[in-house]
Amino acid sequence: NAGVTQTPKFRVLKTGQSMTLLCAQDMNHEYMYWYRQDPGMGLRLIHYSVGEGTTAKGEVPDGYNVSRLKKQNFLLGLESAAPSQTSVYFCASSYGLAGGGYNEQFFGPGTRLTVL
Amino acid sequence: AQSVTQLDSHVSVSEGTPVLLRCNYSSSYSPSLFWYVQHPNKGLQLLLKYTSAATLVKGINGFEAEFKKSETSFHLTKPSAHMSDAAEYFCVVISSSGSARQLTFGSGTQLTVLP
Repeated sequence: NAGVTQTPKFRVLKTGQSMTLLCAQDMNHEYMYWYRQDPGMGLRLIHYSVGEGTTAKGEVPDGYNVSRLKKQNFLLGLESAAPSQTSVYFCASSYGLAGGGYNEQFFGPGTRLTVL
Repeated sequence: AQSVTQLDSHVSVSEGTPVLLRCNYSSSYSPSLFWYVQHPNKGLQLLLKYTSAATLVKGINGFEAEFKKSETSFHLTKPSAHMSDAAEYFCVVISSSGSARQLTFGSGTQLTVLP
């Protein structure tokens, strides 16, 4: 049971280049999320998915796109990278809402992206 | 709308002394609250969670937190700090009436443990 994995771990891009970050989970979770972490700002939600084939915008979606073609995978795409997208990106997954409470999110190890 | 404020960006304690990391929240609905820990170059790990059961919540590694509705607080404590506790800690509030997007992280508290 690998939990949540992210590929790649590190990446350096030039302004205007594109790339895709892959998140995979083997816990059969319905919900998946992409966050970015910047110094002094905690984690901010970019996009999320409540199930296969669904996606929704989070707090900071501009400049990113996502896809959830398979339940276990959640892809984050940058079509034209900008220096403002330099950040650490975390993927997470959870079973979802249950009984009014909230199920634990399991986080991947992160992807450190630098845009020059 | 909901928000969470971690009152200290940095906390420094000596090994063996108590730890207090402060978190205040605001939420329109009955909140669920979490504390996560992030060790250097690692992902986030759940320490503990409050979901409207007991107001004193015990977590892993000797940490606990008390939900105080009247003070809108959810402070994290540990009686005796260990060197391995040095990490960044995040308080998270979630609206139980909302969907997954109603998730708000605090800006984090960096805990330093001095020998």
